[in-house]
Amino acid sequence: GAVVSQHPSWVICKSGTSVKIECRSLDFQATTMFWYRQFPKQSLMLMATSNEGSKATYEQGVEKDKFLINHASLTLSTLTVTSAHPEDSSFYICSARSGPRHYNEQFFGPGTRLTVL
Amino acid sequence: GNSVTQMEGPVTLSEEAFLTINCTYTATGYPSLFWYVQYPGEGLQLLLKATKADDKGSNKGFEATYRKETTSFHLEKGSVQVSDSAVYFCALSDEPHMRFGAGTRLTVKP
Repeated sequence: GAVVSQHPSWVICKSGTSVKIECRSLDFQATTMFWYRQFPKQSLMLMATSNEGSKATYEQGVEKDKFLINHASLTLSTLTVTSAHPEDSSFYICSARSGPRHYNEQFFGPGTRLTVL
Repeated sequence: GNSVTQMEGPVTLSEEAFLTINCTYTATGYPSLFWYVQYPGEGLQLLLKATKADDKGSNKGFEATYRKETTSFHLEKGSVQVSDSAVYFCALSDEPHMRFGAGTRLTVKP
């Protein structure tokens, strides 16, 4: 099946700094990628939909100036958490939507655990 | 809008016990239905899926049947193993993205 990678798998940063998380589709092109946030012992919350070459669409309540999303190519989307604070600590998961070759299925990355001190 | 309601658990079973995790959905049209599994510290892995009514998805001994009449997609396994301990998410396609249930934590004890 199709593979999606995320980098880094975990990151610890100081409050006030920015952190960039990469999401890559390794063996397919993804015109659409999604970013989710997962709090401990909870379900996935969709943050935004990222389309290659255009601005991301954010879900209600998600600050677009804080969570910057860039989808510069068909295989890479990045999420930058700007001026991170401890409440931003979470597990961030991306997914990439395949094309007809994989029946338009979504494939999930392994997640990035962010801890803000 | 489309939504998924999932038995929340947690569920604790002994090895070789029978497993059922209930999942019902509300949707306009006929979405595809999925079960994902998440092991500790990892992302989601697709366990099985069904794309139309009466389809049965199966994988690694797990099964789920797309029931349009009861709007359900219950996950079952005849004999669970310790290695099945994980969180299970029911989901449906809600183009362009997906809707997830709350997740059910399963612990299997030897």
